[in-house]
Amino acid sequence: AQTVTQSQPEMSVQEAETVTLSCTYDTSESNYYLFWYKQPPSRQMILVIRQEAYKQQNATENRFSVNFQKAAKSFSLKISDSQLGDTAMYFCAFIVNNDMRFGAGTRLTVKP
Amino acid sequence: GAGVSQSPSNKVTEKGKDVELRCDPISGHTALYWYRQSLGQGLEFLIYFQGNSAPDKSGLPSDRFSAERTGGSVSTLTIQRTQQEDSAVYLCASSLWVGSEAFFGQGTRLTVV
Repeated sequence: AQTVTQSQPEMSVQEAETVTLSCTYDTSESNYYLFWYKQPPSRQMILVIRQEAYKQQNATENRFSVNFQKAAKSFSLKISDSQLGDTAMYFCAFIVNNDMRFGAGTRLTVKP
Repeated sequence: GAGVSQSPSNKVTEKGKDVELRCDPISGHTALYWYRQSLGQGLEFLIYFQGNSAPDKSGLPSDRFSAERTGGSVSTLTIQRTQQEDSAVYLCASSLWVGSEAFFGQGTRLTVV
């Protein structure tokens, strides 16, 4: 069975600083996709960043980047220059054969 | 519509009643997912559809839960004989193909009283 683990239920960071959210997963498959989604208080799930497992290069989207370690089955999210609008729940997810599973989430608070 | 649409947005029902939750995915999206999210918690996987087929129904919490998808489009999640523990937000998502971005609806907040 595919599982996703986020070991940090809550985190906080000062505005303009950098924070890293952790995620590990478990699968016996070799071909899959990884995601980080953000869920602000509005409840709308928003894609932050996406990574294909067959690509060694880490994905980057503006202030958001990942550290993908396939052998270790680790997929952490780094947020640089944190902004107040980054305050939200962050969910790590991965998909194998159309089966998409999410971690329990990390609640991130950006403090002014 | 441009996005995933779920209806109703809120539903209050009495314990023991049946409810139907609807999801209209983005046109052309072959994959459709249902999740349940309790207050402040993560997303509990319920079921996914590839076209009209649901290969894995093991995520459904009990035999009171069922789901179907017709015409490769609209999906309905049905909960029979609702219980208070069924109270949660039910989220639907669709994606164009395996590994592409999943787009989420706003969810249906179900309250069983």
